[in-house]
Amino acid sequence: EVQLVESGGGLAQPGGSLRLSCTASGFTFTNYWMTWVRQAPGKGLEWVANMNQDGSEKYYADSVKGRFSISRDNAKNSLYLQMNSLSAEDTAVYFCARDRRVGGSGSYYISDFWGQGTLVTVSS
Amino acid sequence: DIQMTQSPSSLSASVGDRVTITCRASQSISNYLNWYQQKSGKAPKVLIYAASSLQSGVPSRFSGSGSGTDFTLTISSLQPEDFAAYYCQQSYTLPSTFGGGTKVEIK
Repeated sequence: EVQLVESGGGLAQPGGSLRLSCTASGFTFTNYWMTWVRQAPGKGLEWVANMNQDGSEKYYADSVKGRFSISRDNAKNSLYLQMNSLSAEDTAVYFCARDRRVGGSGSYYISDFWGQGTLVTVSS
Repeated sequence: DIQMTQSPSSLSASVGDRVTITCRASQSISNYLNWYQQKSGKAPKVLIYAASSLQSGVPSRFSGSGSGTDFTLTISSLQPEDFAAYYCQQSYTLPSTFGGGTKVEIK
């Protein structure tokens, strides 16, 4: 059974840092791109960042570029999100998700499995 | 980045109704468009990819159409378990982006 479990959320001070983790099980972690998506309280989904299998490709939303860093440790089946210079606007539930290629040609991708999320609150 | 605009932001409907949600991209994304359903307090679930392909296990009352910049998600006969929020997502280019969401509520 595919499982993604996020951890590391909590209360952070404005300007502070936090590191989120996502532990994967039930599938071959090294075969998949992985993504972080967040959702502010009562708001919609916001795509945050993703990376490929070996870490050679990483992409970020403009809203977090230069402040957040995505990484992974394939030996530990884990995905990370280092968040620096936090502000109140970063308050959200953060989900990690597995990306899978679909379609006959494999040219489409979906986030097919998601964790339950970890809440990050930025407040003084 | 590509902007995705959904409408309406919310709607009220009854069980058995036909419901249509639209999504517009700020530039052509061919058919690189996914639809997700999210129930309250839960993680999103993918319904449709490539604009019109039904993800395995998703009921056939869900369908998608469109290409280029304009897309629709249709629920042919709304069921009680369909009351949720729906999001479109472009997978044409990275960074990916979601639409603002449509909340489907009980009338």
